Amino acid sequence: DAGITQSPRHKVTETGTPVTLRCHQTENHRYMYWYRQDPGHGLRLIHYSYGVKDTDKGEVSDGYSVSRSKTEDFLLTLESATSSQTSVYFCAISQGQIGNTIYFGEGSWLTVV
Amino acid sequence: DQQVKQNSPSLSVQEGRISILNCDYTNSMFDYFLWYKKYPAEGPTFLISISSIKDKNEDGRFTVFLNKSAKHLSLHIVPSQPGDSAVYFCAASVTGANSKLTFGKGITLSVRP
Repeated sequence: DAGITQSPRHKVTETGTPVTLRCHQTENHRYMYWYRQDPGHGLRLIHYSYGVKDTDKGEVSDGYSVSRSKTEDFLLTLESATSSQTSVYFCAISQGQIGNTIYFGEGSWLTVV
Repeated sequence: DQQVKQNSPSLSVQEGRISILNCDYTNSMFDYFLWYKKYPAEGPTFLISISSIKDKNEDGRFTVFLNKSAKHLSLHIVPSQPGDSAVYFCAASVTGANSKLTFGKGITLSVRP
């Protein structure tokens, strides 16, 4: 296990409501990422963090925000959920070294109705 | 523009035979490549990687080949086992780019007993 915990693991929410997904790591890795997986699209990067309070956008960041106030926690927020954000969300971590591998959490299944 | 392409969505092979999963990329800056395996309802798990300074890397039944001139890599699984049935994602990164990975859409491998 890579020491990554995602919560909640499953959530159903209504369109227009805010949703926050949490990623917690026990590895003290510098980098943390949020990906989403959708049929026909593979895994796409939403946002990532390269340190406390240091974040940047990925390729599908619209409608999402993130925060990292501690090394171990990376939060993904959907300010106003839409049906297009129904997806499986994966948190990942890495040490950020050359040739480094990233390790994934078990996923959070989000359904927006 | 998709920078990592897995053009075949699925592959079916007989147990004991070789599975060959292909991946192409367009970004010549990519210098580190990885394969991930994903079972349903689980997070992706790291399988094997290769640096652009090599053309082959082997780990047990898994071998990854890299052809830089063709911008092509392949994963060979020999012999294939029913437990290998999963979705396989090819990923690529640029050293120094915050270890961000760009993923292909994945290929579903089915190994028939």
